[in-house]
Amino acid sequence: GAVVSQHPSRVICKSGTSVKIECRSLDFQATTMFWYRQFPKQSLMLMATSNEGSKATYEQGVEKDKFLINHASLTLSTLTVTSAHPEDSSFYICSAESRYNEQFFGPGTRLTVL
Amino acid sequence: GENVEQHPSTLSVQEGDSAVIKCTYSDSASNYFPWYKQELGKRPQLIIDIRSNVGEKKDQRIAVTLNKTAKHFSLHITETQPEDSAVYFCAQSSGTYKYIFGTGTRLKVLA
Repeated sequence: GAVVSQHPSRVICKSGTSVKIECRSLDFQATTMFWYRQFPKQSLMLMATSNEGSKATYEQGVEKDKFLINHASLTLSTLTVTSAHPEDSSFYICSAESRYNEQFFGPGTRLTVL
Repeated sequence: GENVEQHPSTLSVQEGDSAVIKCTYSDSASNYFPWYKQELGKRPQLIIDIRSNVGEKKDQRIAVTLNKTAKHFSLHITETQPEDSAVYFCAQSSGTYKYIFGTGTRLKVLA
């Protein structure tokens, strides 16, 4: 299957700082990438759809000014959590979509905000 | 709105037995149904998928069946092994690229 990387895998930051997470599709071009948030023992919650060269589409209830998404190339999307607070602590996972509508997931980033 | 119900939420089986997880969806336009396996702290891995023009698909010990009339699809794992223990998520897509995920099933295979 396709390979998607995500960096960093783990980050601890102070409240009020911003954190950038990178998602890369290593062996295919992805026009569309997705960002999810996953709480312990729960399902994947879609936050936003990242489209190369255009603005991201955010799900209802997700603050676009809080979670900035940039999809600058066909292999890279970034999620920036701005002014992070403890309630933003979570497991963030990206996925990249193949041309056959399959989604391949990155390994996830565990964010802890102190 | 669109949703996917997944049952059961937890499932324990003896090694060698079969496991079946069922998902029911509401969007009649759904045409793609993937299944993912997620081990603790790791990424979801695509294990099998099925498209709406097919009723069944099999890959070694794993199979998926789709009943479009009843709007449900199921994952079947035969001859279960301890390494099959994980959380399994179903999903559906209607071609708008966005997936709707089920709530997950925690499978435990007892040795």
